[in-house]
Amino acid sequence: GENVEQHPSTLSVQEGDSAVIKCTYSDSASNYFPWYKQELGKGPQLIIDIRSNVGEKKDQRIAVTLNKTAKHFSLHITETQPEDSAVYFCAAPSLSGSARQLTFGSGTQLTVLP
Amino acid sequence: DAGVIQSPRHEVTEMGQEVTLRCKPISGHNSLFWYRQTMMRGLELLIYFNNNVPIDDSGMPEDRFSAKMPNASFSTLKIQPSEPRDSAVYFCASSLATGTTTLNGYTFGSGTRLTVV
Repeated sequence: GENVEQHPSTLSVQEGDSAVIKCTYSDSASNYFPWYKQELGKGPQLIIDIRSNVGEKKDQRIAVTLNKTAKHFSLHITETQPEDSAVYFCAAPSLSGSARQLTFGSGTQLTVLP
Repeated sequence: DAGVIQSPRHEVTEMGQEVTLRCKPISGHNSLFWYRQTMMRGLELLIYFNNNVPIDDSGMPEDRFSAKMPNASFSTLKIQPSEPRDSAVYFCASSLATGTTTLNGYTFGSGTRLTVV
C-alpha cells in the first residue's frame, strides 16, 4: 500500500512570511495529491489538489508542486495570515488491488505568529 | 448542499455501552469513508464503501466495530461494547470516484467526538 510521510510536524512562521510543508509518497502509480486544512473542532477541508499530469498548481496564496521522479509534493503558503493557523494534511492514493482510497500524512501544525 | 452530515456531534457513554454514529454523505457521491482521529495515531481509515458495498474494512480495530451502508444516503458505525480506548473523533467523508484509477477529493463531516468513561 501507499506510505505517505509529512514534514515538519510543527511549523511556526511570522505573519507575512511563507510556509512550506513537504510530503513524500511510495507508490509510483499515485496520480492525485490533495492537501487538507483542519481547523480546531472541524473536519479536514480540501484546500488544493494536483494531478500527476501537472507540476504546479496555484490558487491565490497557496500553491502545490509535484515532483513525480522524486515522489514528493509540497504545499506553499505565501503572505501567511493568522487565519492560516491550522493542521495541514497531505494525502496520496492507494491504488493496489481493489483499494481506491487516500492515505494521509501525519499532519503539520502551522502557527502564524502576529 | 449541506455537506456531509454527522450525528451526534458529541457522545459521552459508559464503558460497555453500545454507540452508534451516523453519517449522511453528499448526494451523488458514491464513496463513503469512516476515519478515526487521535493525537497518537492521526487519521486512521476504518472502512470505506463504494456504491454502498464495503470494499476495505482492514482498518476496523476489532469485532466490536461494525459499519453499514443500507442505502446511498446513510451509513452507521457501531461500537459494541465500547471501551475507553475507543475515545476519539470519528469522521465520515464522501467522494465521487470516477473510473478505476481516478480519485477525487473527499468532503469530510464535522466529526463525532466520542468519550467512553
